[in-house]
Amino acid sequence: KQEVTQIPAALSVPEGENLVLNCSFTDSAIYNLQWFRQDPGKGLTSLLLIQSSQREQTSGRLNASLDKSSGRSTLYIAASQPGDSATYLCAVDEMGGGKLIFGQGTELSVKP
Amino acid sequence: EAGVAQSPRYKIIEKRQSVAFWCNPISGHATLYWYQQILGQGPKLLIQFQNNGVVDDSQLPKDRFSAERLKGVDSTLKIQPAKLEDSAVYLCASSLGMGTDTQYFGPGTRLTVL
Repeated sequence: KQEVTQIPAALSVPEGENLVLNCSFTDSAIYNLQWFRQDPGKGLTSLLLIQSSQREQTSGRLNASLDKSSGRSTLYIAASQPGDSATYLCAVDEMGGGKLIFGQGTELSVKP
Repeated sequence: EAGVAQSPRYKIIEKRQSVAFWCNPISGHATLYWYQQILGQGPKLLIQFQNNGVVDDSQLPKDRFSAERLKGVDSTLKIQPAKLEDSAVYLCASSLGMGTDTQYFGPGTRLTVL
């Protein structure tokens, strides 16, 4: 059974710092992996999607990498801003049918 | 483009009562998902519809939960009877198709069972 784990559960950094969020999964047979952002009281917003054949994806200050063989993905946020404060979740799709298995999330706080 | 709409936003009920949640997906989106997010955890897929047919309901507690998507548009998720452990945020999402299509999430309904 696929399990997705995110460590740490919470992270606090000063503004301007570069940071890395971690995601690990137990079964490397995945179709794709996504990173989402969740703001309090709101739904999830998709940030980046990495296909199983890809190694990384970039969008602005965000870069996500995928190492299927080791069951790991990282989300790199450059020059963090207070507006980046949110919970970040990773999710894997094993079959490509849209059924996502989520980690528990990392709550990020960026202090001015 | 209007997003995914959900109502109500908040609901408080006593255990053993029934409750229903409503979702209106983005216009033209064929796939609709219901997720349960317990505090401190990631969302868990309860049921996935493709148009008005069920694609996956393997994690739906069918003894108390039911869902329908009449005419392949709006959807309703019902819990009857509710238990304390059903307290969670219920998220609805929709996508144009399946697979790698981006899922767009609604704001969720926060359910508290007393």
